[in-house]
Amino acid sequence: EPEVTQTPSHQVTQMGQEVILRCVPISNHLYFYWYRQILGQKVEFLVSFYNNEISEKSEIFDDQFSVERPDGSNFTLKIRSTKLEDSAMYFCASRLRTGAGRTEAFFGQGTRLTVV
Amino acid sequence: KNQVEQSPQSLIILEGKNCTLQCNYTVSPFSNLRWYKQDTGRGPVSLTIMTFSENTKSNGRYTATLDADTKQSSLHITASQLSDSASYICVVSAEVGNKLTFGTGTRLQVTL
Repeated sequence: EPEVTQTPSHQVTQMGQEVILRCVPISNHLYFYWYRQILGQKVEFLVSFYNNEISEKSEIFDDQFSVERPDGSNFTLKIRSTKLEDSAMYFCASRLRTGAGRTEAFFGQGTRLTVV
Repeated sequence: KNQVEQSPQSLIILEGKNCTLQCNYTVSPFSNLRWYKQDTGRGPVSLTIMTFSENTKSNGRYTATLDADTKQSSLHITASQLSDSASYICVVSAEVGNKLTFGTGTRLQVTL
């Protein structure tokens, strides 16, 4: 069964360092997302991406964050200068299509980012 | 502001028993409502998706209901198993935009 894969599963970084979280969405999907979940809190939307550009982003997704689909298979989330409060589980998701359709959103297993 | 609220926050039941989880939402305009199961430290896995025209949807021992008028949904789990222990999250999608709005989840623990 196709699945969304994320690497690494756990990343520890020092405050102020740049991190890149990687995702390989399901191959024929067209819409890609990043969500995050701070420990003990609900999952929060960060950004959606379609046709090689951001289609929507939340207030969390500030200038420190960027996304890229560099080679048609990987979808990356970059945090330029990490802060302690960026520590969270980051989930990538992909969907075949969007809008009012009932299309399934498939989530990866997440990358646990710990900023020390 | 779009919001999804769930109750109870946590629940402990004996194996074999049934339970019902509740969800209230204020997402507008409404597109669809999903229930996800999330094991600790893992990504959410979809259980059901319902649009406004669907009142009920089953997936094995999981049955979801939706009342689009009162903006309420429930997830009923029958004959619970130890492997049902997880967080169950109600997620609502609006017609406009791409994002999913997640509830805080109900943490279910099934015990012997």
